[in-house]
Amino acid sequence: DAGITQSPRHKVTETGTPVTLRCHQTENHRYMYWYRQDPGHGLRLIHYSYGVKDTDKGEVSDGYSVSRSKTEDFLLTLESATSSQTSVYFCAISERENTEAFFGQGTRLTVV
Amino acid sequence: DAKTTQPNSMESNEEEPVHLPCNHSTISGTDYIHWYRQLPSQGPEYVIHGLTSNVNNRMASLAIAEDRKSSTLILHRATLRDAAVYYCILRGGSSNTGKLIFGQGTTLQVKP
Repeated sequence: DAGITQSPRHKVTETGTPVTLRCHQTENHRYMYWYRQDPGHGLRLIHYSYGVKDTDKGEVSDGYSVSRSKTEDFLLTLESATSSQTSVYFCAISERENTEAFFGQGTRLTVV
Repeated sequence: DAKTTQPNSMESNEEEPVHLPCNHSTISGTDYIHWYRQLPSQGPEYVIHGLTSNVNNRMASLAIAEDRKSSTLILHRATLRDAAVYYCILRGGSSNTGKLIFGQGTTLQVKP
């Protein structure tokens, strides 16, 4: 299995509080991704990174920010969590832009 | 971003072959065809990918049409564990952004 770890695995937070999710990889892959998945829906890309300090928006980036200060870590921050951000969040890594991607186990976030 | 079209759902009997189709009529010459699947309550997992030639691995086979406008994922002997949502995705492309965009996928049901 690819070395990819998401933390925390579960989190409950209150509306209006900041939340940071961490994706850590040991594969030295260049590309990293954050997705959200809501019940009955497919995965939607939030932000992605194509190198250290190189990030770009995905399909549903409003309300989210990311940072990648080193190859192994990609952080997703909800500046002020809302109930609509309750979801399961997946991180993925990929060595190159056309190679296979590997996914983490997911973080279940509940905003109350 | 080039799009793919897949049937919403398919059924198969256990131990029979399954052919999952995907149309991608706007594929560019540098797009790779990727397949991922997501089992219930798990993160997506890589299945197979290819550019022009048919590909085989331990999980499945990928048959790519000569004009590359369609492809078929082949599970040679479906098992109950193969019941999942299967996603066909185009990666790479001329922009080389590495974005990995999921559609709705095909939900495969496997009957005993």
